[in-house]
Amino acid sequence: AQSVAQPEDQVNVAEGNPLTVKCTYSVSGNPYLFWYVQYPNRGLQFLLKYITGDNLVKGSYGFEAEFNKSQTSFHLKKPSALVSDSALYFCAVRALPRNTDKLIFGTGTRLQVFP
Amino acid sequence: GAGVSQSPSNKVTEKGKDVELRCDPISGHTALYWYRQRLGQGLEFLIYFQGNSAPDKSGLPSDRFSAERTGESVSTLTIQRTQQEDSAVYLCASSSERKGGTGELFFGEGSRLTVL
Repeated sequence: AQSVAQPEDQVNVAEGNPLTVKCTYSVSGNPYLFWYVQYPNRGLQFLLKYITGDNLVKGSYGFEAEFNKSQTSFHLKKPSALVSDSALYFCAVRALPRNTDKLIFGTGTRLQVFP
Repeated sequence: GAGVSQSPSNKVTEKGKDVELRCDPISGHTALYWYRQRLGQGLEFLIYFQGNSAPDKSGLPSDRFSAERTGESVSTLTIQRTQQEDSAVYLCASSSERKGGTGELFFGEGSRLTVL
């Protein structure tokens, strides 16, 4: 069965420091991987996706993610964190296109950036 | 509208009552999804529509939950005889991609349901 794991419930980082939010996945075949962000009292917003091609994917707000097939990981990164990056981050994988196109989400990681 | 619209944004109901939650997807989006987000938890898949058919209902928690969609437009999620454990934010998302696509989902801001 396809699944996504976000091993950290919360990540704390000081403003200006690099940040990493971890994600590992389990799928049959090639994965379609996504990161979404949820700000307080808002819906989820798409950040970036990996479908094929370069392992380093760049997305919105200066975020990027690195696809690592051997480690089955898709960690979210940013070189210099901002206080405004504080939010809940979800990793997701698209289920194989059998009879469904649903996204399977991880449990989320709360990012707290301190001034 | 420009985005996915959900109503009501907040609903407080008494245990045992029925509730209807509505989702207006982005115009032209063929795929529509319902997810549930309990307090402090991740997103739980409920049901997926492609057009007005539902190829995947595997996430509906019980027969008290049902959903329908009119063409490639509005969807309603109905919860009958609500229970306290139904309290959650119900999120709707739509996508322009047909089956097997690689596109992202666009989410509404959710309907927060509180069952007393």
